[in-house]
Amino acid sequence: DAGVIQSPRHEVTEMGQEVTLRCKPISGHNSLFWYRQTMMRGLELLIYFNNNVPIDDSGMPEDRFSAKMPNASFSTLKIQPSEPRDSAVYFCASSPSAGSKNIQYFGAGTRLSVL
Amino acid sequence: GQNIDQPTEMTATEGAIVQINCTYQTSGFNGLFWYQQHAGEAPTFLSYNVLDGLEEKGRFSSFLSRSKGYSYLLLKELQMKDSASYLCAVRGLGSSASKIIFGSGTRLSIRP
Repeated sequence: DAGVIQSPRHEVTEMGQEVTLRCKPISGHNSLFWYRQTMMRGLELLIYFNNNVPIDDSGMPEDRFSAKMPNASFSTLKIQPSEPRDSAVYFCASSPSAGSKNIQYFGAGTRLSVL
Repeated sequence: GQNIDQPTEMTATEGAIVQINCTYQTSGFNGLFWYQQHAGEAPTFLSYNVLDGLEEKGRFSSFLSRSKGYSYLLLKELQMKDSASYLCAVRGLGSSASKIIFGSGTRLSIRP
């Protein structure tokens, strides 16, 4: 299995631009998670989906952030407009169905720099 | 709410043993995870505890006491490649059963 695939690996953009991060979960996993990691705040859960449905978006910092999961094999996290304080590493993770250990498997992350 | 505490940094010597502690306070508990994260890389799963006691996996062991809200990760025969951050994470109950909350991580440095 290829694991969780994220793109792009690196993104440099200017303040005010729209940023779209992409994630392909492991086939057969039906939970998907978006995290943000910074030195100051550590690894923060932004939103997660079960069976393509958003369950908890309480970690989404502002209305500038939105996430979608149109099907079981694809999700996006969008920031519009982006700001310098959004600079961070964004991880996507997926896990099998509830009832198992629910081990989360992480993608390699997208390092976002907003200038 | 949930609160997870672990030391920010630790240093140990190659070949030695180190114990990384984690305490947590949660409104519901359904498992505790330890993840390893090397600099610039993604977190990777190390261990899972849901019942009290010790889980051993090679050089790594993880212990849980639910009554004390306490866990530790024990690393034996330390190697230079064990230099990494170690994240403690807790899973809740019910509708949040899929969700796990991560601590800030302990950055472990191994010296020769």
